[in-house]
Amino acid sequence: AQSVTQPDIHITVSEGASLELRCNYSYGATPYLFWYVQSPGQGLQLLLKYFSGDTLVQGIKGFEAEFKRSQSSFNLRKPSVHWSDAAEYFCAVGEGAGNMLTFGGGTRLMVKP
Amino acid sequence: SAVISQKPSRDICQRGTSLTIQCQVDSQVTMMFWYRQQPGQSLTLIATANQGSEATYESGFVIDKFPISRPNLTFSTLTVSNMSPEDSSIYLCSVVDKLYYGYTFGSGTRLTVV
Repeated sequence: AQSVTQPDIHITVSEGASLELRCNYSYGATPYLFWYVQSPGQGLQLLLKYFSGDTLVQGIKGFEAEFKRSQSSFNLRKPSVHWSDAAEYFCAVGEGAGNMLTFGGGTRLMVKP
Repeated sequence: SAVISQKPSRDICQRGTSLTIQCQVDSQVTMMFWYRQQPGQSLTLIATANQGSEATYESGFVIDKFPISRPNLTFSTLTVSNMSPEDSSIYLCSVVDKLYYGYTFGSGTRLTVV
């Protein structure tokens, strides 16, 4: 069965600093990988996804993620964090298009002024 | 991408009662998923609902507690039955958008059982 691990439960960064959120997955085949953001009291918004091709994917709000098969990782990055980026971030893996998603435990990002 | 309307957005319910959550999608979708997000936790899949067949439940979730209907390709309901305070969670529906192979989520139903 697939699984997703987000090692960092909480991360605090200063506004303007760079950000990297870690995600490791366990899955036998090529996974479908996603990053979602959930702001307080809000639903889930898709930041980016990886299915195949270029292992560096660009998303919305200036986020990017890199798929590294050798490390079973799909880390999320942003070069300069804004205060509005404070939220909960979830990494998820799917078995294939149309199948269920398995979510990591989430990383709560706090941004210091 | 698909747009999902989920209702109610929140509710406070008495223990022992039931609540039905509705999800309406603006396009036809084959599969709909229902997730639970307990306070401070990640999302856990409750069941997968295909139109015209019984929902498939994940381990730890049973039909008697979480009956699901899927009468057509744009609509589904999840009922939380005989509620207890442990059922206090956010419940979300999700669909796969074939056009962009993303998963779209409803805005969630925040349920508090007192």
